[in-house]
Amino acid sequence: NAGVTQTPKFQVLKTGQSMTLQCAQDMNHEYMSWYRQDPGMGLRLIHYSVGAGITDQGEVPNGYNVSRSTTEDFPLRLLSAAPSQTSVYFCASSYSNMGRSSSPLHFGNGTRLTVT
Amino acid sequence: GQQLNQSPQSMFIQEGEDVSMNCTSSSIFNTWLWYKQDPGEGPVLLIALYKAGELTSNGRLTAQFGITRKDSFLNISASIPSDVGIYFCAGRSGSRLTFGEGTQLTVNP
Repeated sequence: NAGVTQTPKFQVLKTGQSMTLQCAQDMNHEYMSWYRQDPGMGLRLIHYSVGAGITDQGEVPNGYNVSRSTTEDFPLRLLSAAPSQTSVYFCASSYSNMGRSSSPLHFGNGTRLTVT
Repeated sequence: GQQLNQSPQSMFIQEGEDVSMNCTSSSIFNTWLWYKQDPGEGPVLLIALYKAGELTSNGRLTAQFGITRKDSFLNISASIPSDVGIYFCAGRSGSRLTFGEGTQLTVNP
């Protein structure tokens, strides 16, 4: 069982470049989300989706786009990368009853992004 | 937005000691969660709390949902070297999960 799979694991971009961070889950989870993790700031929610075709903004959405055309995939797009977007990005998913012990939030292993 | 204040930021302890960390917020949450993150991996759920006042254990870990619904603590008893990692609290309100800044735990053998 693959769980939540994120690709790539590492990426270096130049300022202004665009790219897509991929996230896929094979658990038929309705809820998917993207977080960024920065030293001393914990995990901050970027965007989330409660089901295919539905997305919403989190705490720090600026500079990022998402789409949810299928239940399995939730890609995160950086339109024009900036050094402030250097971070570790985590994708997470769960059943719609997010947070309950029967449906914990499953995290991927992260994508480490550096923008120069 | 909602904020969680987690303390301490870091702890250095000897193997066998007990550990306590906590999170406080000015907002009310419906659920409190505690996660552990090992280097190079995503956070993994340790304990979930769903009711104010709830006290839940998972092996050597014990966590409580504060009666005001604005705080939670996590205790680890008789620490071992594999307890090393970053511990995060998280509070849920609706569909959103807000994370604390994390507590970096180091256990010296």
